[in-house]
Amino acid sequence: AQTVTQSQPEMSVQEAETVTLSCTYDTSESDYYLFWYKQPPSRQMILVIRQEAYKQQNATENRFSVNFQKAAKSFSLKISDSQLGDAAMYFCAYCSNTGKLIFGQGTTLQVKP
Amino acid sequence: EAGVVQSPRYKIIEKKQPVAFWCNPISGHNTLYWYRQNLGQGPELLIRYENEEAVDDSQLPKDRFSAERLKGVDSTLKIQPAELGDSAVYLCASGTDRGPRQYFGPGTRLTVT
Repeated sequence: AQTVTQSQPEMSVQEAETVTLSCTYDTSESDYYLFWYKQPPSRQMILVIRQEAYKQQNATENRFSVNFQKAAKSFSLKISDSQLGDAAMYFCAYCSNTGKLIFGQGTTLQVKP
Repeated sequence: EAGVVQSPRYKIIEKKQPVAFWCNPISGHNTLYWYRQNLGQGPELLIRYENEEAVDDSQLPKDRFSAERLKGVDSTLKIQPAELGDSAVYLCASGTDRGPRQYFGPGTRLTVT
């Protein structure tokens, strides 16, 4: 069975600085997707970025980028120029071809002014 | 484009009482998911629909939980009778069979006393 592990329950970053959130996963599949979701205190889960496993190039979305290491089964999220609005809980998620999402335990990000 | 709609947003009930949650997916989305999110944890899939068919309900506690998706659009998740351990946020998400992305609703926070 697939598993997703986020080993950092809480992280803190100064406004305008860069922070990296870690995620590792375990799977025997070769074709899958990885996501980072953001969940602010209002609880609406928002997609931040996605990565297809067959793509070697790391995905980027404005200030958000990933470091996808397929062999190491690692998928970290880098947030550059952190803003106060980035404060939220971040979830790493694995999606197989069946469409089932498996989430990690989450990392709470605090942004200090 | 309207997002995924869920109601109610909050529900407080006494144990052993029944409760129902409603979800209206994004128009045109044929896949629908119900997740349960315990406090401080990532969501866990309860059931997944493709149109009106439940294609994955392996994690749905069938002794007390039931779900339906009549006509392949709206969906209702029911708990009867509720237990203290059912206190959680229940999230609905929808998507299409053209890709793995899921769009989440705001969730229903259930408190069982």
